[in-house]
Amino acid sequence: SQTIHQWPATLVQPVGSPLSLECTVEGTSNPNLYWYRQAAGRGLQLLFYSVGIGQISSEVPQNLSASRPQDRQFILSSKKLLLSDSGFYLCAWSSGTGSDQPQHFGDGTRLSIL
Amino acid sequence: QKEVEQNSGPLSVPEGAIASLNCTYSDRGSQSFFWYRQYSGKSPELIMFIYSNGDKEDGRFTAQLNKASQYVSLLIRDSQPSDSATYLCAVAETDSWGKLQFGAGTQVVVTP
Repeated sequence: SQTIHQWPATLVQPVGSPLSLECTVEGTSNPNLYWYRQAAGRGLQLLFYSVGIGQISSEVPQNLSASRPQDRQFILSSKKLLLSDSGFYLCAWSSGTGSDQPQHFGDGTRLSIL
Repeated sequence: QKEVEQNSGPLSVPEGAIASLNCTYSDRGSQSFFWYRQYSGKSPELIMFIYSNGDKEDGRFTAQLNKASQYVSLLIRDSQPSDSATYLCAVAETDSWGKLQFGAGTQVVVTP
């Protein structure tokens, strides 16, 4: 069966510090991968998606970036965090075989910026 | 701008009653629809998906789809306190690679 791992679970970072969040998927090949952010009490905001290694599409311009160095690895990064970057970051995957597949979420990273 | 609309709630439901959640969407070409449950502080969990008009039942959950009216709903029968959560409606965008549009969610509170 497929599993998705996301770490760390919680993170407290000062303003201006760098960020690296990692997500890996097991049990499937060539998945579509997604990064979302959810502000407190708000809906899901799609940040980045990837349909293959090295292929990244950005949905929202911001100081975050994403990379996909391996088929089942997705990384969210920032060189300098802002207060507004606080939130619940979720990685998700879906089967790359069609556009009608559900997305499955990792446990998320709760990021607090001080 | 493609939109998915849900009542934010909270929807208060007595234990044992039926909870009825509604979702409307603007992308007329959408073919795939999903319901997720999100407990407070946790990540969303897929509970139902539906592709065809009509009803689809899975245990205590029933999803209903009407593409002509661009309307999808979720019924929770015999509601339990453990059903208290936020329910997210998601719609697959037309001609996309798997991108979903999520509604903001409906909070359900089941009272004993």
